[in-house]
Amino acid sequence: RKEVEQDPGPFNVPEGATVAFNCTYSNSASQSFFWYRQDCRKEPKLLMSVYSSGNEDGRFTAQLNRASQYISLLIRDSKLSDSATYLCVVNEDTGRRALTFGSGTRLQVQP
Amino acid sequence: AAGVIQSPRHLIKEKRETATLKCYPIPRHDTVYWYQQGPGQDPQFLISFYEKMQSDKGSIPDRFSAQQFSDYHSELNMSSLELGDSALYFCASSITSGPRSYEQYFGPGTRLTVT
Repeated sequence: RKEVEQDPGPFNVPEGATVAFNCTYSNSASQSFFWYRQDCRKEPKLLMSVYSSGNEDGRFTAQLNRASQYISLLIRDSKLSDSATYLCVVNEDTGRRALTFGSGTRLQVQP
Repeated sequence: AAGVIQSPRHLIKEKRETATLKCYPIPRHDTVYWYQQGPGQDPQFLISFYEKMQSDKGSIPDRFSAQQFSDYHSELNMSSLELGDSALYFCASSITSGPRSYEQYFGPGTRLTVT
């Protein structure tokens, strides 16, 4: 079982739609949580850190539920440029800063 | 804003050859990480350095070694290359203090092809 699990998708949505991605992690000691986006054959780009209180950045909202070990990302008013793979990423230990990646959820926004 | 720089961007080597990948972190970032991403896979952590000392080790083969220099740039040295080493190699950097201390920023990667 992977340490970070995501639905691989693809999610095919029309422009303007709202789409939500979910992710679960297995290590309850995990300390930091992130969403990255990755375009084909490019580097992962940090989209946002995820905090226990939840956080919002424009059209993007991230939530963390530590009790359920669950992270979510909500994208409102989808744009064509949002088409990418969204990676749920966890830092499992404060003493170890390596990131553990989920396999990603692919989003395709259609005109 | 300055980003992580990696060179070369593409590299083609034959089996059993050696390769050296370079990474220049974001200015004032003190930690460098190396990740390997095989085709269709998610990035896997190899090794990291904090203030020029190895800070953590992941799934890095014994054939690979890395170091961080006094100017904070890092090099990943790969020897006895195998076909299975063909992958994208990403370097990331972060700063250990402040509110963004766990956020890692990735370079554009080096695409290594072993033939």
